[in-house]
Amino acid sequence: GDSVTQMEGPVTLSEEAFLTINCTYTATGYPSLFWYVQYPGEGLQLLLKATKADDKGSNKGFEATYRKETTSFHLEKGSVQVSDSAVYFCALSRDTNAGKSTFGDGTTLTVKP
Amino acid sequence: DAGVIQSPRHEVTEMGQEVTLRCKPISGHDYLFWYRQTMMRGLELLIYFNNNVPIDDSGMPEDRFSAKMPNASFSTLKIQPSEPRDSAVYFCASSFDRTGSPLHFGNGTRLTVT
Repeated sequence: GDSVTQMEGPVTLSEEAFLTINCTYTATGYPSLFWYVQYPGEGLQLLLKATKADDKGSNKGFEATYRKETTSFHLEKGSVQVSDSAVYFCALSRDTNAGKSTFGDGTTLTVKP
Repeated sequence: DAGVIQSPRHEVTEMGQEVTLRCKPISGHDYLFWYRQTMMRGLELLIYFNNNVPIDDSGMPEDRFSAKMPNASFSTLKIQPSEPRDSAVYFCASSFDRTGSPLHFGNGTRLTVT
């Protein structure tokens, strides 16, 4: 079945540091890939997505590239801020899976001033 | 677009009581999902609907849990009787039936069963 494996946390960085959160997936066909972010007390919200190989999703300074050859979708940001502290989830969905998404376990990021 | 609306935001109840959680999805979305989130088990899919029809309820923990979607703008998740181990944050999410459509989550209902 489908699966998503993401880097275990928690991750603690200083402000302005470079961020990478690794995400790899297992799925048949050509899934769409997503990063969601969850701030304290809120639901998950879409951060960025990519729907085909070599696509780059980007938003709020975050980027991730759909790499089919390595089945990866790593999240990166060049300079993190305290306000980026949150839980980040990698996820995939397939058209043939009737709308159902598969989520990773989430990675908690804390950015210190 | 008001987003996915869940109520109540917080619910505290005693063991054995019935609990009903409510969700209004985004208008026009085809799918509706109920998730549960705990520290121990993370994010779990309980059940989802397509065009108001339940598609997969294999994640519903046991017969104490039931979900309905009587129309395209409303869904409920009911727990009867509730138990302390049901304490969690319950999220409702909705999406379009299109390639690459993301889930839109509500802000959740934090349930505490004492």
